[in-house]
Amino acid sequence: DTGVSQNPRHKITKRGQNVTFRCDPISEHNRLYWYRQTLGQGPEFLTYFQNEAQLEKSRLLSDRFSAERPKGSFSTLEIQRTEQGDSAMYLCASTTQGHGYTFGSGTRLTVV
Amino acid sequence: GENVEQHPSTLSVQEGDSAVIKCTYSDSASNYFPWYKQELGKGPQLIIDIRSNVGEKKDQRIAVTLNKTAKHFSLHITETQPEDSAVYFCAANTGGFKTIFGAGTRLFVKA
Repeated sequence: DTGVSQNPRHKITKRGQNVTFRCDPISEHNRLYWYRQTLGQGPEFLTYFQNEAQLEKSRLLSDRFSAERPKGSFSTLEIQRTEQGDSAMYLCASTTQGHGYTFGSGTRLTVV
Repeated sequence: GENVEQHPSTLSVQEGDSAVIKCTYSDSASNYFPWYKQELGKGPQLIIDIRSNVGEKKDQRIAVTLNKTAKHFSLHITETQPEDSAVYFCAANTGGFKTIFGAGTRLFVKA
């Protein structure tokens, strides 16, 4: 297992377009998280999956955002009708209960 | 809601000196405190963590201390090296599903 993998690494999109990011967690980790990080800030929680169940969503996650984790394996984060304020690094992390996160390298989104 | 404050935002030290980063948390139910190092273009990497039943933990050149009464915890890096230059994040977790991160400290180690 090579750790948490995120694709794509970079995404440039025009305002109003939809984008989808993928995260492949460490296979034995049942917990998967999405965080958003803007320049000069720490990661902000977006949503959390335990196996295939999405158990919590932040109020930061407007109805334009949706995340899935079919079969409790990889996860996708989709942003519809992107806005310039969505420009950020989107980080995925996986873990098991009581342990720290293993983060992926992130997907940097730029909305122009 | 839970909040984690981190200081300083920027820290510059000479190679070989020590560096200390301090954090405070608001939720007294927090019981797990990880520290992450983030290098340019990479995701944060867990470097050390401490649980609320321990006051101090050391791993080679890095150590963490926890004062539950004051809700303070700190990261200490001794004998700093240029490769220690990065952004460091403290974080707190109540044992639930969510970890709250501080805003980060950018550490520069001058050779």
